[in-house]
Amino acid sequence: GNSVTQMEGPVTLSEEAFLTINCTYTATGYPSLFWYVQYPGEGLQLLLKATKADDKGSNKGFEATYRKETTSFHLEKGSVQVSDSAVYFCALSGDQGGKLIFGQGTELSVKP
Amino acid sequence: DVKVTQSSRYLVKRTGEKVFLECVQDMDHENMFWYRQDPGLGLRLIYFSYDVKMKEKGDIPEGYSVSREKKERFSLILESASTNQTSMYLCASSLGGQGKSPLHFGNGTRLTVT
Repeated sequence: GNSVTQMEGPVTLSEEAFLTINCTYTATGYPSLFWYVQYPGEGLQLLLKATKADDKGSNKGFEATYRKETTSFHLEKGSVQVSDSAVYFCALSGDQGGKLIFGQGTELSVKP
Repeated sequence: DVKVTQSSRYLVKRTGEKVFLECVQDMDHENMFWYRQDPGLGLRLIYFSYDVKMKEKGDIPEGYSVSREKKERFSLILESASTNQTSMYLCASSLGGQGKSPLHFGNGTRLTVT
């Protein structure tokens, strides 16, 4: 079945550092891919998405490219801020319409 | 903006109690979902629904049931709460279709069963 694997956290960076959070997936067919972010005490918010191979999703300085050849959707940001501290989830659309399958989440902590 | 509202942020219940978690969305979405979130395990799907009065089991339905009598409301029921159901519960909704639509989440209900 479909599955998502993310790099383990926590990830601790200094402000203005470069961020990469790795995400790889296993899927049949042509799933859509998503990154969600969860700030402390809140639910998940959609950060970006890509619906087909080679699409690049971007939002708030974050970006991720749908790589079918490597089955990956790594999240990157050139210069992180303290306000980016949160838990990040990679997800893909499941076999049945609308259902999403999530990775285990990666906690990011950015220090001033 | 889509709003998904969960009725309680924090809930404390005793073992054996029947527990209702309520979720309402205001954007006429067809799909609604219940996930639970546990450290190191990410989000796991409990139940979902594509339409009124229909429901489908997710990956971990044991010990739970759901009700969707109206399109905007999706309730999660713990028939007899147990301590291993202590968790964060997240409700979500999305437009109908084949998975291209993102999920919109509520802020979660943190349930403690003692």
